[in-house]
Amino acid sequence: AQSVTQPDIHITVSEGASLELRCNYSYGATPYLFWYVQSPGQGLQLLLKYFSGDTLVQGIKGFEAEFKRSQSSFNLRKPSVHWSDAAEYFCAVRSYNTDKLIFGTGTRLQVFP
Amino acid sequence: DAGVTQSPTHLIKTRGQQVTLRCSPKSGHDTVSWYQQALGQGPQFIFQYYEEEERQRGNFPDRFSGHQFPNYSSELNVNALLLGDSALYLCASSRTTWRGGMNEQFFGPGTRLTVL
Repeated sequence: AQSVTQPDIHITVSEGASLELRCNYSYGATPYLFWYVQSPGQGLQLLLKYFSGDTLVQGIKGFEAEFKRSQSSFNLRKPSVHWSDAAEYFCAVRSYNTDKLIFGTGTRLQVFP
Repeated sequence: DAGVTQSPTHLIKTRGQQVTLRCSPKSGHDTVSWYQQALGQGPQFIFQYYEEEERQRGNFPDRFSGHQFPNYSSELNVNALLLGDSALYLCASSRTTWRGGMNEQFFGPGTRLTVL
């Protein structure tokens, strides 16, 4: 069965520091992978997506993610975090023939000034 | 473009009652999916509607039902509410292509349902 694991429930970083949020997936074929961000009182906003091609994907707000098939991972990175990046981050996988998204449990990012 | 809109924003019900949540998709989108997000959890897929029919369904009981209208808007109905139904209900819209390609889903702000 398809699944997504986000090992870190809560991460705290200082503003300006680099960030890496981990995501591992379980899926037999080449997955479609997504990272979403959710701020309090808001819906989910798509940061970036991967379905084929270059394994390093650039997204909005300066985020990037790297697909590593050998490690079944799709980690999200940002070189310098801003206070406005504090939010909940969700990794998700989708199979080719469906629109159903399977989400991880999320990682809450806290940013200290 | 108003994006995906949902109503109401918040709702309080008691056990055993019934509730209807509404969603208007993003302009140009014809497919609506519903997700339940319990506190501290990731969203869980409930079902998806396309061409006014339920196309896919997640692991939710029959108490959860839906409808899609000719203008592509959608309703989620939950009967016989349980305390465990308290959650944020998210609607996502997308555009189905004939190739079945990767259709990005755009999410609404959600409806916060509290069952007492």
